[in-house]
Amino acid sequence: QSALTQPASVSGSLGQSITLSCTGTNTDVGGYNYVSWFQQHPGRAPKVLIYDVTDRPSGVSHRFSGSKSGNTAFLTISGLQAEDEADYYCSSYSTTSTLDWVFGGGTRLTVL
Amino acid sequence: EVQLVESGGGLVQPGGSLKLSCAASGFTFSAYAMHWVRQAPGKGLDYISAIGSTGGDTYYANSVKGRFTISRDNSKNTLFLQMDGLRPEDMAVYYCARGFPNMARGINFDYWGQGILVTVS
Repeated sequence: QSALTQPASVSGSLGQSITLSCTGTNTDVGGYNYVSWFQQHPGRAPKVLIYDVTDRPSGVSHRFSGSKSGNTAFLTISGLQAEDEADYYCSSYSTTSTLDWVFGGGTRLTVL
Repeated sequence: EVQLVESGGGLVQPGGSLKLSCAASGFTFSAYAMHWVRQAPGKGLDYISAIGSTGGDTYYANSVKGRFTISRDNSKNTLFLQMDGLRPEDMAVYYCARGFPNMARGINFDYWGQGILVTVS
């Protein structure tokens, strides 16, 4: 069982905006602004999309944005494209993990 | 260009051992913490181990503590994961990933290797 809770699957239509959620506690997501989001296509390594809740690494599309409210972090993807169909994982600094960072179970995004 | 290339995976019997390597290039390896993350077939990411930039600090998930050992050779820009007492549930693709830089602001898990498959059967 993952430390952070993500919906198993979501779907959206081409061109639509969609928001994925990642729920933790005040010892991880809610307590610190150290949430990251990763995208993983089948058979590929994960790629970081968002770090420190809202920041995008250089080269990541502006269609991806991050936010947080209380113990839940969000990843919003605007203007859905077919290539956005992938698995998305959140991660957060955690004071209760032996590794200091925890991951969510992942959300499979299907683009209709 | 930052590159991380894993090697050493393969088929091993339950109870056996395997040592993974992760060759790093394109950055000052000795200045970064490093991680191992695994992914069982059809499952999510499972963060299992981390090591500080000098190798002096190591961290493990409870699921592998006492069986796996993370280490690094900064002179050879290589990260290792010694896996002993392997179990069927350890079967996964194993990724190495770059962590935070030492004494500087950076992005955790910003670069990943392509992954290497470990089969325990």
